[in-house]
Amino acid sequence: DAKTTQPTSMDCAEGRAANLPCNHSTISGNEYVYWYRQIHSQGPQYIIHGLKNNETNEMASLIITEDRKSSTLILPHATLRDTAVYYCIVRGNNDMRFGAGTRLTVKP
Amino acid sequence: GAGVSQSPSNKVTEKGKDVELRCDPISGHTALYWYRQSLGQGLEFLIYFQGNSAPDKSGLPSDRFSAERTGGSVSTLTIQRTQQEDSAVYLCASSSPRSGGGGYNEQFFGPGTRLTVL
Repeated sequence: DAKTTQPTSMDCAEGRAANLPCNHSTISGNEYVYWYRQIHSQGPQYIIHGLKNNETNEMASLIITEDRKSSTLILPHATLRDTAVYYCIVRGNNDMRFGAGTRLTVKP
Repeated sequence: GAGVSQSPSNKVTEKGKDVELRCDPISGHTALYWYRQSLGQGLEFLIYFQGNSAPDKSGLPSDRFSAERTGGSVSTLTIQRTQQEDSAVYLCASSSPRSGGGGYNEQFFGPGTRLTVL
């Protein structure tokens, strides 16, 4: 049970911000939100994670709503190389349960 | 430095045969995970090793699947009497001990082994 809901697919224009939503309405207090992505034929790659505060790193920003029932991953300036499947994961222990993710296609 | 490596990269086998898949985690990583990914699907958790603790086998789909981790490093996933539905990419990941910061340490994934059962 992945515990998250994401749109199946999204498109984004190159150079624009990509905003990927995730619903996790059953998240509990000690569970973190993690984002990974998987570029075709490669293993998943860690992007970012957070508990309740917004987070930013060199790859992306993570915005978590105050009630923690949803979050948004933001790629501020999407490039063609950001085309991938993006997985939102709620993690409360050491294993991770991946859902189907969102297939993001960045178009020129 | 070296990342997670897996071998073989591709394996084709006949239905009913046994296969062994190998994972070499990043040196010093105490946690090791196995996942599988069927075509067009998300990752399915299989098993998790943490140091010398008993592994979490809750994701293994049947008793034909087993895994071991020797010396806290290399791991082998064994599938006995393979079936066609076992065809998938098998991914291994490792992570370092939890540092005490927020959350759990990120998992570093290997390139996977593509298993095809004819």
